[in-house]
Amino acid sequence: KNEVEQSPQNLTAQEGEFITINCSYSVGISALHWLQQHPGGGIVSLFMLSSGKKKHGRLIATINIQEKHSSLHITASHPRDSAVYICAVGPNTDKLIFGTGTRLQVFP
Amino acid sequence: NAGVTQTPKFQVLKTGQSMTLQCAQDMNHEYMSWYRQDPGMGLRLIHYSVGAGITDQGEVPNGYNVSRSTTEDFPLRLLSAAPSQTSVYFCASKTGVYNYGYTFGSGTRLTVV
Repeated sequence: KNEVEQSPQNLTAQEGEFITINCSYSVGISALHWLQQHPGGGIVSLFMLSSGKKKHGRLIATINIQEKHSSLHITASHPRDSAVYICAVGPNTDKLIFGTGTRLQVFP
Repeated sequence: NAGVTQTPKFQVLKTGQSMTLQCAQDMNHEYMSWYRQDPGMGLRLIHYSVGAGITDQGEVPNGYNVSRSTTEDFPLRLLSAAPSQTSVYFCASKTGVYNYGYTFGSGTRLTVV
């Protein structure tokens, strides 16, 4: 069993829909990261969180440490949000364990 | 401010050849790391460094060497390339301060034939 599981693997949405991507992990962590990988391959760090909730624009990330679960929400989705979203956890501050990603396609 | 710069972007090697993937950052980040990304798998940590002169192994270090002589540069060396090292390689850095995320390079697509 992978230490970081993401669901769904693939997600298709219409523009404007509310999107939720889930991440469950089985190891103790010091922090959880959400990353976005563009169709061209570049990777951007979206959030790093160790408790509670963070918001940046239309993106919201939450984490429940007790349940070992995090969610990434996208409000009012747009075609430019189409990307692979990757969850990664850090058992310590030096190493990350990555999920396999959720591929999101948003159609106009 | 260029961030993290990786070169080359694409490379084809023959089995047994050696090469160095370059990674440089201009943000004075203490931490630098190398990952490989293979289809159907998450990124996997190869080697990392918490500062100049300090390196350590990650999850998949075999076949790769690293050194960190300066804060800015963290090259990844393949001494004798194998087809199993065909992958996309990413370099990343972050400040040592706990609450900051990672900055990734644009990646190097390596094919070993």
